Amino acid sequence: KNQVEQSPQSLIILEGKNCTLQCNYTVSPFSNLRWYKQDTGRGPVSLTIMTFSENTKSNGRYTATLDADTKQSSLHITASQLSDSASYICVVPFDNTDKLIFGTGTRLQVFP
Amino acid sequence: DAGVIQSPRHEVTEMGQEVTLRCKPISGHDYLFWYRQTMMRGLELLIYFNNNVPIDDSGMPEDRFSAKMPNASFSTLKIQPSEPRDSAVYFCASSLVLAGGPYEQYFGPGTRLTVT
Repeated sequence: KNQVEQSPQSLIILEGKNCTLQCNYTVSPFSNLRWYKQDTGRGPVSLTIMTFSENTKSNGRYTATLDADTKQSSLHITASQLSDSASYICVVPFDNTDKLIFGTGTRLQVFP
Repeated sequence: DAGVIQSPRHEVTEMGQEVTLRCKPISGHDYLFWYRQTMMRGLELLIYFNNNVPIDDSGMPEDRFSAKMPNASFSTLKIQPSEPRDSAVYFCASSLVLAGGPYEQYFGPGTRLTVT
């Protein structure tokens, strides 16, 4: 079954700390993996798109890694800010189509 | 560009009523997607269009749901009759497919639907 699973479900950290979010997928064949950030009450916004040939990709304080062999990805947030409080969703296209399979997300809360 | 525009932002209706959600994609984008988001099931694809033509509607939950895209700048998602279990946030997204690489989907702000 094509699935995208994320952990942890929720995470609380203090401002300035680093954190890492995990994503495991069973979607096959694999073409790319995306991380989205969704603020409360808003639509998801793309952070990164990684193809199977990319191991690491950065977008400011966000760094995504991908291991296509183990079908795992992680999103590392450095020096967290209050504005990082949001849900982070891992997404994989289904069977090289335009259909995206979404993980259930990790809810991150950053406190001062 | 103003991004993907959805209306209304909030809709409260009684069970049995017809509900119409509207979406204006980003100008020039040739794909349009309708999603539903709930706490229990997360984000789910309902239907998507390419050049105004429905490509895959396998995610539409039942016959009460219908979607149209009469032109490149407008799409509607209609629920008739509505039921309490349809309460969710409905997102519209659009994208432009470019040769050689994965494309990005741009999401609208969503419509929060409450059916009482």
